[in-house]
Amino acid sequence: TQLLEQSPQFLSIQEGENLTVYCNSSSVFSSLQWYRQEPGEGPVLLVTVVTGGEVKKLKRLTFQFGDARKDSSLHITAAQPGDTGLYLCAGARADSWGKLQFGAGTQVVVTP
Amino acid sequence: DTEVTQTPKHLVMGMTNKKSLKCEQHMGHRAMYWYKQKAKKPPELMFVYSYEKLSINESVPSRFSPECPNSSLLNLHLHALQPEDSALYLCASSLTSGRGYEQYFGPGTRLTVT
Repeated sequence: TQLLEQSPQFLSIQEGENLTVYCNSSSVFSSLQWYRQEPGEGPVLLVTVVTGGEVKKLKRLTFQFGDARKDSSLHITAAQPGDTGLYLCAGARADSWGKLQFGAGTQVVVTP
Repeated sequence: DTEVTQTPKHLVMGMTNKKSLKCEQHMGHRAMYWYKQKAKKPPELMFVYSYEKLSINESVPSRFSPECPNSSLLNLHLHALQPEDSALYLCASSLTSGRGYEQYFGPGTRLTVT
């Protein structure tokens, strides 16, 4: 059972378009992290959100944590080919002690 | 510096071989992790070390044996592996294993078992 439901599974867009990836759960998380992973490499941490309703911006990427800390979204504005990769959300529950719950991942392909 | 290093980058081994994967971090983190990742899937947790003691073993077969010689190093000893163990093995570290502390991943070791 996937505690974190991530959608969509795959997204193919043209350069310059916007996209949004969603991460939803029925569980409350004390924090949620977003990673981007390229083939054959380890996931690279993009952001951590910890406060309900929090919005963080990283250049063209905007991350939001739901008010109830059960869901999160990643929005990319004016996507570029360099944004191509596997995006993973990962949540830490209060009782998890080191165990992150990963979403299944969203493969994003941005074509020139 | 948020770097976790892993060696080797690639490893091919037969089912009767013994090999080891190495992981190192110099961020002063006291929690270290081993994950296994299959293609197009999220990482699956294998082991967690907290303050150099094994705190979580996710029912991993005994052919995988972790070791934490000191707070900066983490090893994964491999013996008598099966072809289905072929995967990307990722090491990660965090400040502690307590809630909320973000994990930083290494580049991984691509393991192929023949």
